[in-house]
Amino acid sequence: SAVISQKPSRDICQRGTSLTIQCQVDSQVTMMFWYRQQPGQSLTLIATANQGSEATYESGFVIDKFPISRPNLTFSTLTVSNMSPEDSSIYLCSVIPAGPSYEQYFGPGTRLTVT
Amino acid sequence: DAKTTQPTSMDCAEGRAANLPCNHSTISGNEYVYWYRQIHSQGPQYIIHGLKNNETNEMASLIITEDRKSSTLILPHATLRDTAVYYCIVRVRQAGTALIFGKGTTLSVSS
Repeated sequence: SAVISQKPSRDICQRGTSLTIQCQVDSQVTMMFWYRQQPGQSLTLIATANQGSEATYESGFVIDKFPISRPNLTFSTLTVSNMSPEDSSIYLCSVIPAGPSYEQYFGPGTRLTVT
Repeated sequence: DAKTTQPTSMDCAEGRAANLPCNHSTISGNEYVYWYRQIHSQGPQYIIHGLKNNETNEMASLIITEDRKSSTLILPHATLRDTAVYYCIVRVRQAGTALIFGKGTTLSVSS
């Protein structure tokens, strides 16, 4: 398994501003992902964070709105840019640890409220 | 679109077995069945997975039909702490394949 921490755990931001969310894992992982969970909804995959290269975004998500970095095997950031109230969601980091299991683990999430 | 179908909600009495069904009629031969749950305000938690044989661990049992078109997650003795949204997901078990979530089943366990 992997222990995943996210910072901040929650934040309240004003529209038009940006927030960067950090994800730190306690061990090396092969894959890192970012998800969004809007209020009362299921999780939606935003992108795969690729080490040393541009993230791979799912349909409906673009780099200008959700820039992602992954400088090494244990750390990634997701920025929510030019926020609007519709961006109010829980943002979750998820990883697949190195090794043969391919099981996917989730961080505790960052609860974002945009006013 | 999600590749699984689950009931929207289920109720269970504390101490009784909770049986959560999932239909995955279009599952491919190399896809596994995974179950996760999300307790309110927490990240999803892995429960169990299987390919075609029944599986059991300390949390639950997974029963997969012989044709693999459906499965059932069994919590043998549900407690109040098992109240959560349960997600059934089919996925190829390989690096680079992210979980895609459907709507899940909200299980409410009451005393």
